[in-house]
Amino acid sequence: QSALTQPASVSGSPGQSITISCTGTSSDIGSYNYVSWYQQHPGKAPKLMIYDVSNRPSGVSNRFSGSKSGNTASLTISGLQAEDEADYYCNSHTSSHTYVFGTGTKVTVL
Amino acid sequence: QVQLVQSGTEVKPPGASVKISCRTSGYTFTSHPMHWVRLAPGQSLEWVGWINTANDNTRYSQNFRGRVTFTRDTSANTAYMELSSLNSEDTAVYYCARESLGGGGALELWGQGTMVTVSS
Repeated sequence: QSALTQPASVSGSPGQSITISCTGTSSDIGSYNYVSWYQQHPGKAPKLMIYDVSNRPSGVSNRFSGSKSGNTASLTISGLQAEDEADYYCNSHTSSHTYVFGTGTKVTVL
Repeated sequence: QVQLVQSGTEVKPPGASVKISCRTSGYTFTSHPMHWVRLAPGQSLEWVGWINTANDNTRYSQNFRGRVTFTRDTSANTAYMELSSLNSEDTAVYYCARESLGGGGALELWGQGTMVTVSS
């Protein structure tokens, strides 16, 4: 199972919105609404930000939103803040009943 | 307090095996599947597999099949991951992560990570 494809880096100024894409295939993202997104700061454990494509866990800011179209999922961060600077990973269920992460995106706040 | 606490740093020679523990507290251990994920230096998160803590069923990533084994001790509320035939590419931080009751692979609670270094 190959990793889902994400852009290596995305940047934006404080207050702006950015979108991170996550491209898979019809065997993963395209077939299931089990896409989740994780934020990871250096040296810390990942944190769940979005699950089931577009649902936010309790306590996660509503500045984070998720969507999906075809084989591509997206994470949008609106009103970008300094603390949003981190690595972000998507994850999807697959037709093999396994899971696969994306290649990861480093978000930089300018 | 709901938490996952992992065992400490490991240093192993090539060819050896390592067994990491993930001790849970604050919730019903058998209600949530447990996943294992690793992060190698300079790499991205990699899904290793998961164990159904209720019935011991497991599913492994093809990348690890044959080298990794998940077990659990329900009396100790603890999950274990054993990785054998270690090589330098297995140097990584290994995490256990609890899946939410809603399923779908949503990993809502993570351990602090266990650093495994493979070096002669």
